[in-house]
Amino acid sequence: EVQLLESGGGLVQPGGSLRLSCAASGFTFTKYAMSWVRQAPGKGLEWVSTISNSAISTYYADSVKGRFTISRDNSKNTLHLQMNGLRADDTAVYYCAKDWASSLSLWNDYWGQGTLVTVSS
Amino acid sequence: QSALTQPASVSASPGQSITIACTGTNSDVGRYDYVSWYQQHPGKAPKVIIYDVSNRPSGVSNRFSGSKSGNTASLTISGLQAEDEADYYCSSYTSISTRVFGGGTKLTVL
Repeated sequence: EVQLLESGGGLVQPGGSLRLSCAASGFTFTKYAMSWVRQAPGKGLEWVSTISNSAISTYYADSVKGRFTISRDNSKNTLHLQMNGLRADDTAVYYCAKDWASSLSLWNDYWGQGTLVTVSS
Repeated sequence: QSALTQPASVSASPGQSITIACTGTNSDVGRYDYVSWYQQHPGKAPKVIIYDVSNRPSGVSNRFSGSKSGNTASLTISGLQAEDEADYYCSSYTSISTRVFGGGTKLTVL
């Protein structure tokens, strides 16, 4: 059974940093790209970032480019999102999602339950 | 990258059929057959119901179907049931190797 378990969310002040993690199990982690997708309270889904299976390629939404960094540790089946320079509009539930392909985000077949990030003073 | 355009809401009675349109551009929906649809119940994670425009993952009811014409993709749900009441999102791969989602459509089963 595929499981994706996010952690690391919480309350942070504007300008602060937070590191999200996603522990994956139930599939061969090294074969698939992984993504982060977020959802602001009461709003729709927004794609944030994708990393290829080998971590060679990374992709970012314009809204987070230069502030967020996606990474993965294939030895620990773990996905990370380092978030710096956080702003109020980054407040959202952040979902870890498995991609169907190895190098690109074409569609997501499994999702975690999400972790809430709140940016507020 | 602008979000794909979906109607904010749609409603119908049990047993009826509905179609949700998702309009993009020739840089996303119109260029690739990588349109997917997700169902999200309140407080839950999204679940894929359609991928690659018209394919259903194993376990998804055949009451859900997808299609595409030009820059517009569509999700049709036939034989509406109470459990179908949820938010629905379309998504597409884009020409700059990113993904884009629609704004979401709230389906109410009357």
